[in-house]
Amino acid sequence: DGGITQSPKYLFRKEGQNVTLSCEQNLNHDAMYWYRQDPGQGLRLIYYSQIVNDFQKGDIAEGYSVSREKKESFPLTVTSAQKNPTAFYLCASGDLGGGMYNEQFFGPGTRLTVL
Amino acid sequence: AQSVAQPEDQVNVAEGNPLTVKCTYSVSGNPYLFWYVQYPNRGLQFLLKYITGDNLVKGSYGFEAEFNKSQTSFHLKKPSALVSDSALYFCAVRDGDNAGNMLTFGGGTRLMVKP
Repeated sequence: DGGITQSPKYLFRKEGQNVTLSCEQNLNHDAMYWYRQDPGQGLRLIYYSQIVNDFQKGDIAEGYSVSREKKESFPLTVTSAQKNPTAFYLCASGDLGGGMYNEQFFGPGTRLTVL
Repeated sequence: AQSVAQPEDQVNVAEGNPLTVKCTYSVSGNPYLFWYVQYPNRGLQFLLKYITGDNLVKGSYGFEAEFNKSQTSFHLKKPSALVSDSALYFCAVRDGDNAGNMLTFGGGTRLMVKP
């Protein structure tokens, strides 16, 4: 899982609550990403950031928000507007130097369950 | 638009036999292709990538993949499977000619290696 940490490993949320998932990296990577993984659907991109204080929506950004105040940190908030938030959430980072052909490094994931 | 297809949800192979996990892709520009492996409740681990050069790419843990431009395929192979290779495998593609494009993942293939 490289130098990327995610916390907590498991998270339970009641309907209507916002929750924040933590992602920290010590790889000095410029880019960070949040993915959602559902069974049989692979990974879908929620948000990404290529530089501090800037981020872009991915394919399924509705109901989520992010911030990038530090290079090392890219927290994801799952809001009450997300209709089906139960999933496995993966954070990744990547080096942008030299082009977009560098691989991404993934954290261990957070499993979010809505009760 | 770019896309990846992993036509097999599951591949079963006996230990010691060769294995192949199939991947086909679609991009408008030059493909950057990646294989990742995921063990239960863990993040993804990078196995190998094709950017340019030799069509046969060698990666971690004895895996290799063959890029076939005419068939738009990037199948993952290993000459002799181990029980410990049992995991979920993801193929991913990025359009190398479009810096704004992100990685697109396939739906994943579960590899089961039986003793």
